[in-house]
Amino acid sequence: QSALTQPASVSGSPGQSIIISCTGTSSVVGSYNFISWYQHHPGKAPKLIIYEVTKRPSGVSNRFSGSKSGNTASLTISGLQAEDEADYYCSSYEDSSPSVLFGGGTRLTVL
Amino acid sequence: EVLLEESGGGLVQPGRSLRLSCVASGFKFDDYAMHWVRQAPGKGLEWVSGISWDSGKIGYADSLKGRFSISRDNAKNSLFLEMNSLRPEDTALFYCAKGEWGDLLSTFDYWGRGALVTVSS
Repeated sequence: QSALTQPASVSGSPGQSIIISCTGTSSVVGSYNFISWYQHHPGKAPKLIIYEVTKRPSGVSNRFSGSKSGNTASLTISGLQAEDEADYYCSSYEDSSPSVLFGGGTRLTVL
Repeated sequence: EVLLEESGGGLVQPGRSLRLSCVASGFKFDDYAMHWVRQAPGKGLEWVSGISWDSGKIGYADSLKGRFSISRDNAKNSLFLEMNSLRPEDTALFYCAKGEWGDLLSTFDYWGRGALVTVSS
């Protein structure tokens, strides 16, 4: 069982907004601003879309945004498009091990 | 353009060993940490191991310690993963990923397409 918990699936219609949550402990999520989000289309390389909770890499659409409240980080995708249909993973660090943690992943379906 | 190309995957019997390689281009390899991340069939992403820019810091997933060994050759822009005592549950697509900076723990800003490892008799 992952130390970062995500919903298994979410769905939305084109043009709508969806939110994917990522919940962890205070030592993994609450105390750090190193939450990242990755988009993964099956058969392709995963792609970084959000890092350090809210930052977007160059070239990533501003329809993707990140936030955090307490021990829960969130990814918001606004203006859903068909190409957003993919798996989304949150990630953080654990200094004690040290190790990198991934959430279990969320399958986004665009209806 | 950043490119990461994995190789060395294949079919291997349980208990045997396999060595994965990742050749990098398009960035100054010896400035950045590098990692291996795997995805078993039908499962999510799992961090396997990471190594800092100078090999001074290395980390492994707790479930893998003692069986896998990560290394890098900065002169050859290459990352390696030596996998021993392989088990059927190690069957996965193994991705090479570039760290955002040189220290061990960092975001992965570029990924390769992956190398498939199948452990089966």
